[in-house]
Amino acid sequence: SYELTQPPSVSVSPGQTASITCSGDKLGDKYACWYQQKPGQSPVLVIYEDSKRPSGIPERFSGSNSGNTAALTISGTQAMDEAEYYCQAWDTSTPVFGGGTKLTVL
Amino acid sequence: QVQLQESGPGLVKPSETLSLTCSVSVDSISRISYFWGWIRQPPGKGLEWIGSIFYSGSTYYSASLKSRVTISVDTSKNQISLRLSSVTAADTAVYYCARHEGVSSDSSFDLWGRGTLVTVSS
Repeated sequence: SYELTQPPSVSVSPGQTASITCSGDKLGDKYACWYQQKPGQSPVLVIYEDSKRPSGIPERFSGSNSGNTAALTISGTQAMDEAEYYCQAWDTSTPVFGGGTKLTVL
Repeated sequence: QVQLQESGPGLVKPSETLSLTCSVSVDSISRISYFWGWIRQPPGKGLEWIGSIFYSGSTYYSASLKSRVTISVDTSKNQISLRLSSVTAADTAVYYCARHEGVSSDSSFDLWGRGTLVTVSS
C-alpha cells in the first residue's frame, strides 16, 4: 500500500520560515494537499493541488511538490501556526494521509 | 454555509456495531456533486480514512476496514451513515465526516465536521 512519510516534529522561531516535508514514491506525479489541525479541533485544508490556497488561508502558507517530496512552507511563522500538519494524496481511489508533523513555534 | 454534524453513541461495547450519522446542512445532498467521507483519529494518533460515498450511493472503502464497514446515504434526510461491526478497543477514535469532490488525485477534503469521540469499552 502507498505510504506518505512526514517528520514527527519541526521547530521554528516566530517570524522565520518553517518547512514540513512529505515523502512518497513518485509523489510528484500526484497532487498533494495539506491539513492543519490544532488541539481539540477538526483538520482544516490549507493547501490543495500542491500549491493552491483555499479562501481564507493566509498567503504565508505555500506548497510545492516534485519528485518524491511535497513540502508545506510557512513564511513569517506566527504563534497561531503551531499545530499538527498532515499531508494527503490519492493512491488510485484511496486517500492516504501522512503520519503528521507537530510544528512548534518557539 | 454548509456544515457537517456527526452524531451517535459515545460508548460502544466490544464486538458490537458502531453506528454514526453525519447530518449535512444543505437543501438537498442529491443536488450537489460531492462525496462524503468518514475519517477517524485514535487519541493522540493520525488520520485514517474509513470510506466515502457519493450521493448516488457509490461507495469506496478502506481495504483494511472493508469487511466491517458499511456507509450509506439517506438523501431525504441529507444524512450519511457509518456502521462498523465487530468493534474492538482499537476502534476507539474521534470519527469525522468530511466532504470531497472526487476520488482522484485532484480532490481534497475541504469541509470537516467537528467530530465525535467513540470509545469501545465494556
